[in-house]
Amino acid sequence: DAKTTQPPSMDCAEGRAANLPCNHSTISGNEYVYWYRQIHSQGPQYIIHGLKNNETNEMASLIITEDRKSSTLILPHATLRDTAVYYCIVRERSNTGKLIFGQGTTLQVKP
Amino acid sequence: GAGVSQSPSNKVTEKGKDVELRCDPISGHTALYWYRQRLGQGLEFLIYFQGNSAPDKSGLPSDRFSAERTGESVSTLTIQRTQQEDSAVYLCASSLVSRAADTQYFGPGTRLTVL
Repeated sequence: DAKTTQPPSMDCAEGRAANLPCNHSTISGNEYVYWYRQIHSQGPQYIIHGLKNNETNEMASLIITEDRKSSTLILPHATLRDTAVYYCIVRERSNTGKLIFGQGTTLQVKP
Repeated sequence: GAGVSQSPSNKVTEKGKDVELRCDPISGHTALYWYRQRLGQGLEFLIYFQGNSAPDKSGLPSDRFSAERTGESVSTLTIQRTQQEDSAVYLCASSLVSRAADTQYFGPGTRLTVL
């Protein structure tokens, strides 16, 4: 699975959009981009995933560049409850399905 | 519907003792995963079950670790002769089938402390 690079930490003001970047320059054509988050003392929570098109759900939007070498997770109106570690993971369709977690980005939403 | 549940939520044991951790996946989910998370660290994959296929044990750190799954339901992770470095949160996840576009749903974890 391709390696991802994320900034270790970010701050965001409550009510503003949080934009979390992820680089995955070695991604291959059949690898999906997944985002999970982990709120303190809880298990990881799925947020969104995509292959090449931009995706949106009730939690967030995922913007993938045309060359697929990077992506951005957007939380449109961050709240204090969005404070968490956000993990960007790329995964191949044919692998066993296990997720390989990096260190993620710690997002601190401030009032 | 009910999510992934794990028990116990916390376990304190003495070095050298055996422990069993339980995971109840979401009903109907054929794939089940165990991960470990040490304090301040990311998640490490341990083992994966998919239907009747042989489990992927490639992440188990030593032969003191083993896991079983009964059909497509409950799984038990067993750690024999526990060591202090086994202290961590053990997380279980399940998914409908193991495909890249599938979502893994995680339980709350079992916090294991080895004294």
